[in-house]
Amino acid sequence: DAGVIQSPRHEVTEMGQEVTLRCKPISGHNSLFWYRQTMMRGLELLIYFNNNVPIDDSGMPEDRFSAKMPNASFSTLKIQPSEPRDSAVYFCASSLGGAGLAKNIQYFGAGTRLSVL
Amino acid sequence: GEDVEQSLFLSVREGDSSVINCTYTDSSSTYLYWYKQEPGAGLQLLTYIFSNMDMKQDQRLTVLLNKKDKHLSLRIADTQTGDSAIYFCAERGSNDYKLSFGAGTTVTVRA
Repeated sequence: DAGVIQSPRHEVTEMGQEVTLRCKPISGHNSLFWYRQTMMRGLELLIYFNNNVPIDDSGMPEDRFSAKMPNASFSTLKIQPSEPRDSAVYFCASSLGGAGLAKNIQYFGAGTRLSVL
Repeated sequence: GEDVEQSLFLSVREGDSSVINCTYTDSSSTYLYWYKQEPGAGLQLLTYIFSNMDMKQDQRLTVLLNKKDKHLSLRIADTQTGDSAIYFCAERGSNDYKLSFGAGTTVTVRA
């Protein structure tokens, strides 16, 4: 399996621009997570989808952030308008979900490094 | 909420053993994980332990769990330069989907 695939790997944009980050989870996984990693806050969970439905978006920092999962194999995280403080590494992770240890292991993508100038 | 704490830095000589420590506060934590993050990469699951276990060994990795003290450790035997990375401890409750991560321990292996 190719693992969790994220694109782009790096994104540099100017303040005020719209940014869209993409994620393809591992085939057959029904849970998807978006995280943000910064030096100050470490890893923060932004949003969690189960079976394509957003279950917990309490970590989304502001209305400028939105996430969608139109189907089981694709998710996007959008920031509009972007601000310099959004600069971070954004990770997508997926898991099989369900009860039991093995099914809930989260597998991470390589991340998107976002720089907002 | 859950708090997971780790020391921030560890320097170890190549060939020695590394021990990375982690403490957590949630007594309902059922699953505990160690992830490794190399520069520019995502988090890679190294190993995990269920809360009814005291120890788990997997090749060079040994996980010890002291549930009474809520203390988890990861021992890397015969540390190699390729082990230089950030190591994250994470915990999850049995009916929870959320992982609570520590801040990560940066391990530097010196020759």
